[in-house]
Amino acid sequence: DTAVSQTPKYLVTQMGNDKSIKCEQNLGHDTMYWYKQDSKKFLKIMFSYNNKELIINETVPNRFSPKSPDKAHLNLHINSLELGDSAVYFCASSQGIGTGYSPLHFGNGTRLTVT
Amino acid sequence: AQSVTQLDSQVPVFEEAPVELRCNYSSSVSVYLFWYVQYPNQGLQLLLKYLSGSTLVKGINGFEAEFNKSQTSFHLRKPSVHISDTAEYFCAVSLGGSNYKLTFGKGTLLTVNP
Repeated sequence: DTAVSQTPKYLVTQMGNDKSIKCEQNLGHDTMYWYKQDSKKFLKIMFSYNNKELIINETVPNRFSPKSPDKAHLNLHINSLELGDSAVYFCASSQGIGTGYSPLHFGNGTRLTVT
Repeated sequence: AQSVTQLDSQVPVFEEAPVELRCNYSSSVSVYLFWYVQYPNQGLQLLLKYLSGSTLVKGINGFEAEFNKSQTSFHLRKPSVHISDTAEYFCAVSLGGSNYKLTFGKGTLLTVNP
């Protein structure tokens, strides 16, 4: 069973469109994240949710809107797509607040190409 | 604020050779250090971590790293690499061991050639 699954794997769309990426984790974690990896492989956190509550919102344009219907799901909706949004988007999860360190578990990514 | 510098963007080596991937960090407070690995077309997975205690930490797949506070470094090493080790390796630093404050370096592509 895939621990963190994202759909779709590839997404090709035109500028100005609205698209969504879905993420589900079956690890029982309480914290989920969206990361953006650019063409130079630089990885930057976008959002983090803990128990469906937004914890981190890292200077991301408000065209990006995360939604967490429950602890196991964190979706990412993007409005009015721009060329610069082209990247690989990774969903991740971890067991958030507590003692010790809980590793991030990543999905396999969604490659978004905006033309 | 903390930052991470991975000194080499690409490291090519031959199979069974030793390898060292370099990582330096800067922070005004104590940090926690990690190495994550990304195989082609996959997400990242944790290779090893330093939170406290022994400065030499061992991870999966025969990798180890040494935390050097005076040199602010956390270099990753493997004495003998395999072709299957070909991947992108990311060093990361966190304040307080929290994923919320995890900062990744820009990655080092390790290519193992036969």
